[in-house]
Amino acid sequence: SQQGEEDPQALSIQEGENATMNCSYKTSINNLQWYRQNSGRGLVHLILIRSNEREKHSGRLRVTLDTSKKSSSLLITASRAADTASYFCARLETSGSRLTFGEGTQLTVNP
Amino acid sequence: GAVVSQHPSRVICKSGTSVKIECRSLDFQATTMFWYRQFPKQSLMLMATSNEGSKATYEQGVEKDKFLINHASLTLSTLTVTSAHPEDSSFYICSARDERTAHYNEQFFGPGTRLTVL
Repeated sequence: SQQGEEDPQALSIQEGENATMNCSYKTSINNLQWYRQNSGRGLVHLILIRSNEREKHSGRLRVTLDTSKKSSSLLITASRAADTASYFCARLETSGSRLTFGEGTQLTVNP
Repeated sequence: GAVVSQHPSRVICKSGTSVKIECRSLDFQATTMFWYRQFPKQSLMLMATSNEGSKATYEQGVEKDKFLINHASLTLSTLTVTSAHPEDSSFYICSARDERTAHYNEQFFGPGTRLTVL
C-alpha cells in the first residue's frame, strides 16, 4: 500500500507483557516517527528516529530502524492498561516534506 | 511547549451548510500547518498543506473549492468545509510544524474536530 504497512493490525496483551509493533515502507526516508492516538482524540508524538539512527529509547519505549529492510519497530515494555491506544508510524520521505502515515496498530492492554 | 489547539472539538450541522474549523499553534510559530482527515478505524490521510501567506497545496483527490484553507497568520489556519454533505462526516485533525525543527518535519497535532453532517 502507498501508506506502508503496519502489523499487527490489532494486538491484545496482558498488563506487564511487552508489545511489539512493526512498520514497513517502500521508499527512502529522512526520518520515521511514531505516534499514539487514544480513541477519538488527537495524536501524541512518541519518538522520532532519523535515517542514520538504528535504535532509540524513551522511557518504556524502544524504537528500532533498519533502513536496509525498510522497517521499524516500536517496543513497549511492561505494558499498562493506560497504553491501550492506536499506534501509528509516519515517515518523512527524502523526496518530500510531508508525513505519510501507516495504517496503525490497535493495542489493547488488559488489566 | 508545542501545543496546538483546534476549535470546535465537535460540530453537528445540516447538509448544505458550511463549517469552519480553526487550528492554532499556541506557543510557537508555524509557517506550515497540515490538515488531515480520519475515518473510523482508519489512518490519517493528508488533505492539504497550509502555508502562511500563500495558497494551500491540496493532495490529489481533495477538492480545493470544497475544503477552503486560509493561513493568515503564523499561528492560525482555518479549514472551511463548504456545502457539507453526510459523506464529509469525519474526524479532522490539524498539525503544525515547529519551524525550529522543520528539517525533521516533526509535527504537533491538535486534538481533532469531529464533524457530523446530518
